[in-house]
Amino acid sequence: KAGVTQTPRYLIKTRGQQVTLSCSPISGHRSVSWYQQTPGQGLQFLFEYFSETQRNKGNFPGRFSGRQFSNSRSEMNVSTLELGDSALYLCASNRGESTGELFFGEGSRLTVL
Amino acid sequence: KNEVEQSPQNLTAQEGEFITINCSYSVGISALHWLQQHPGGGIVSLFMLSSGKKKHGRLIATINIQEKHSSLHITASHPRDSAVYICADNFNKFYFGSGTKLNVKP
Repeated sequence: KAGVTQTPRYLIKTRGQQVTLSCSPISGHRSVSWYQQTPGQGLQFLFEYFSETQRNKGNFPGRFSGRQFSNSRSEMNVSTLELGDSALYLCASNRGESTGELFFGEGSRLTVL
Repeated sequence: KNEVEQSPQNLTAQEGEFITINCSYSVGISALHWLQQHPGGGIVSLFMLSSGKKKHGRLIATINIQEKHSSLHITASHPRDSAVYICADNFNKFYFGSGTKLNVKP
């Protein structure tokens, strides 16, 4: 069965713009979580969605937001981009248990100029 | 202080050596995850455990809840094991270690 799909894989934006990233989970998975990875900060948890509701949230500013649709696909949005938002953004899905095994996508690499 | 501390940060081993990576966490725990990341970014979940010990092939993960400590062991290491290994504490949200970069030389 298909894995977790993230689009786009690469994108370049300029400061002040906004970006939307998409994540399609494994079929049957109802939880999607998002992470930011940078060389300086490593992996950091952004938020998790389950059944279209945000279940948990990390310590990121309000410029970072997300949502989940009824088919479990999820999007995250970053508004007013800053240079420091350049990162690999990863999403992961699982069946829905709060402590379930995670299945990661390949990530979306965002460069902010 | 980071909620999750991992050691060592870098590790070089000869093929066939036994390897141990350590992870200590300070918040509570629902589950402890061990992840593997190869160059290029893809992350694979190796283990998820909340007690005891799990084994998969040459990999073994253990956790001591009282001591808030987990270890990942690789027996008979191989160059294909070269990757970054990351532990993550899942307690409502995720807290990640900084990763251990492992290089196994043939």
